[in-house]
Amino acid sequence: EAQVTQNPRYLITVTGKKLTVTCSQNMNHEYMSWYRQDPGLGLRQIYYSMNVEVTDKGDVPEGYKVSRKEKRNFPLILESPSPNQTSLYFCASSLYGSNQPQHFGDGTRLSIL
Amino acid sequence: AQKITQTQPGMFVQEKEAVTLDCTYDTSDPSYGLFWYKQPSSGEMIFLIYQGSYDQQNATEGRYSLNFQKARKSANLVISASQLGDSAMYFCAMRERTNAGKSTFGDGTTLTVKP
Repeated sequence: EAQVTQNPRYLITVTGKKLTVTCSQNMNHEYMSWYRQDPGLGLRQIYYSMNVEVTDKGDVPEGYKVSRKEKRNFPLILESPSPNQTSLYFCASSLYGSNQPQHFGDGTRLSIL
Repeated sequence: AQKITQTQPGMFVQEKEAVTLDCTYDTSDPSYGLFWYKQPSSGEMIFLIYQGSYDQQNATEGRYSLNFQKARKSANLVISASQLGDSAMYFCAMRERTNAGKSTFGDGTTLTVKP
């Protein structure tokens, strides 16, 4: 089954404790992206990757890191999480192009205390 | 810079009636794609429909159609014969050809279908 898999689905942690949210897709998509969703603000793009070893900043990259060492994986790293990063996070993938819809993971709900 | 505006935070519709969800956009790229996604209360994001900027006809997918008015920069989603399962949040989104990596979403519209 074609899918984007995020882990964990839920995480409660404390300020400053490094965490990684994993994202993996099995559709051989070149493009992957991370978003955060906050009430009333829609989805805001954090980082995206157009291929292996190619990443670029979205609209809200501060406090986040990503890497794309393999085509299927695109982890999101919070090296020193803060409470303002409490949010619902989505990973997405697609073929590259302005006509390509994105396939989303089920989301990761992060709470930073 | 690309921008998406959804001006209706919440909408109500009676079951079996049609409803239009508004989306306006701004871009300087003549080539772009517009998308609508549905997010039910369970949280997942579901792709509904796509419209390309050079498409001559409005897109349709089952009960979903897109009222695309390029000169007005609007891409409204029309849902016909609403069902209770259509109750969800709906997002309009855009990708430009010159940088298809950037993707911009609107703030969303919460649709409630009344029985």
